[in-house]
Formats: sequence, C-alpha cells, structure tokens
Amino acid sequence: NAGVTQTPKFQVLKTGQSMTLQCAQDMNHEYMSWYRQDPGMGLRLIHYSVGAGITDQGEVPNGYNVSRSTTEDFPLRLLSAAPSQTSVYFCASSWDRGPPGYGYTFGSGTRLTVV
Amino acid sequence: EDKVVQSPLSLVVHEGDTVTLNCSYEVTNFRSLLWYKQEKKAPTFLFMLTSSGIEKKSGRLSSILDKKELFSILNITATQTGDSAVYLCAVRAGGGADGLTFGKGTHLIIQP
Repeated sequence: NAGVTQTPKFQVLKTGQSMTLQCAQDMNHEYMSWYRQDPGMGLRLIHYSVGAGITDQGEVPNGYNVSRSTTEDFPLRLLSAAPSQTSVYFCASSWDRGPPGYGYTFGSGTRLTVV
Repeated sequence: EDKVVQSPLSLVVHEGDTVTLNCSYEVTNFRSLLWYKQEKKAPTFLFMLTSSGIEKKSGRLSSILDKKELFSILNITATQTGDSAVYLCAVRAGGGADGLTFGKGTHLIIQP
C-alpha cells in the first residue's frame, strides 16, 4: 500500500516554463487536494477535487490548473512558472466522509524552485 | 474567511517537561479539527477531533476540543528529543469539500 505518491521530489524551473507535478493515491479516496507550504505561511489550499471529473479552487489557485480524470490521479500544472511559486507542494487525499478519527494522508512533497 | 491561530509559534523546553500547544479557530460550519506533526517532510496525522470534551490519547500525546470556546489543546507529557517538530493544527469546515485551513504551526524544540 503506497499511500500518496508525489513526483518529482525536487524541481528547478526557469521563469516562464511550464510543468506538471504528479500525485497518485491507491487508497480509493474520493477527495484529493494540493497545498503549498511557504515559510511563516503554513499550508495553503490551491485546488481540490471531490471525485473524478470534479475540481474546485482553494485559497491560492492563480497560476495553477488541475484535472481529475481518474480517482487515483490528481496532477497540478504550472502554466508559466514565476519566482513567487517557489515553494514546497503537498498532495493529500482523504475519504470525503470517512470513519471517525481518519485524517488526510499527505504525499512526501515536491520542492520547487523557480529562478 | 476561516482562520486558525496557533500559539506559541515556537517553544523550547527540556527533555521530560510537559508542553501544551494551543489552537483557536473561527470557521463557518465547523466539521472537525486535526493535529499533525511535521518533521522536515510531509505532515503525519495525530488526531482528529469532532466533539467537545472528549480527550483523544495516543501514548504521551493527548488532545481535547472545546467547541463553545473554539479552541483545542495538544498536550505532550514527558517530552523526548524525538518530539521536536512543527505541530500543525487544521480545521475542516463546510460540506467536506473545502479542504483544510491550517494554522502557521508551533515549532517545538526539546533540548536534552
């Protein structure tokens, strides 16, 4: 049981480049989400999905796109990278209405630097 | 706008001490409050609290929620150097589809 798998672990981009951060889970969770973590800012929600074909914006969605074509995968696309997008990105999944005491499972993170 | 405030932001104690971390929140349609431990990588789940006054316990860690006063505390007794980490509090609100709102975390350092 791999849980939530994120790739790549590290990435350096030049300003204006595009790329996709991958996220896959094998727990059949309905709910998946992307967060970014910046020093002093905590984790902030970028986009989320409650099931295949359904996505919505979180607190800081600008500059990012998502899609959810399958239950397992939830990629995050940076359309034109900017230095302000330098951050650590976490993908998380959960049951939408799960058993009591069940929290979100986080991937190991992607450290992105935009130069 | 949903808000989660943690205090203190940082704390340094000696091994064996007991610590109490605080989390207050203002959210619409509260659903649950979660505590996570983060040690230079992904957050790991500690507790989820949904009801007031019911203490959740796991070893030396315990947590309780007060939905009337809108806060939670995380207690760690007999601290060890391995407890050094950032402890994150997050609240889930709305219909379950709105994600988690996180506090900025408490950076806990346990000195030998």
